[in-house]
Amino acid sequence: AQSVTQPDIHITVSEGASLELRCNYSYGATPYLFWYVQSPGQGLQLLLKYFSGDTLVQGIKGFEAEFKRSQSSFNLRKPSVHWSDAAEYFCAVGFTGGGNKLTFGTGTQLKVEL
Amino acid sequence: DGGITQSPKYLFRKEGQNVTLSCEQNLNHDAMYWYRQDPGQGLRLIYYSQIVNDFQKGDIAEGYSVSREKKESFPLTVTSAQKNPTAFYLCASSTPRGTGGLSSLTIYFGEGSWLTVV
Repeated sequence: AQSVTQPDIHITVSEGASLELRCNYSYGATPYLFWYVQSPGQGLQLLLKYFSGDTLVQGIKGFEAEFKRSQSSFNLRKPSVHWSDAAEYFCAVGFTGGGNKLTFGTGTQLKVEL
Repeated sequence: DGGITQSPKYLFRKEGQNVTLSCEQNLNHDAMYWYRQDPGQGLRLIYYSQIVNDFQKGDIAEGYSVSREKKESFPLTVTSAQKNPTAFYLCASSTPRGTGGLSSLTIYFGEGSWLTVV
């Protein structure tokens, strides 16, 4: 069965600093990958997704992610973090034939220091 | 505006009661899902439905039931058999089948419902 690991439960960065949130997946075939963001008590908003093609994916709010097959990773990055980026971030993986089901990581809580 | 509407936002349940969470979408999506979210555990799939009048168990279906009588609606009932129902519940839907190929496989979420047992 596929699985997703987000090794960092909490991350704190200063406003204006760069950010990288890690995501590793376990699945034999080529996955399709997502990053979602969740503000407290709210639903999840899609930041970006990867299905195929260019391994560097651009998303909303200035985020990007890079798919590295050799490392089974799909890390999320942002060059300069804003205080409004403080939220919880979830990586998710699905696969063809999986019935549109996604498996989610346990999330990374991002705190931004002013 | 198109979207997914969950209600109620907050719900309190007494021990032994069944409660139903509503989920309605006007995105013309075929597939709908229910996830449960607990702190530190991410999202876990309860039930999903790929098409009207059909649904499948997810990873943690015990103590829950669903129906899919209309394309727009996918209510979730939390039964008294669910021993630890206090959680945040998220409904989601995904883009129509057969359109856009793999790139159509994107799931969109509602704003969630908090269920607390009192």
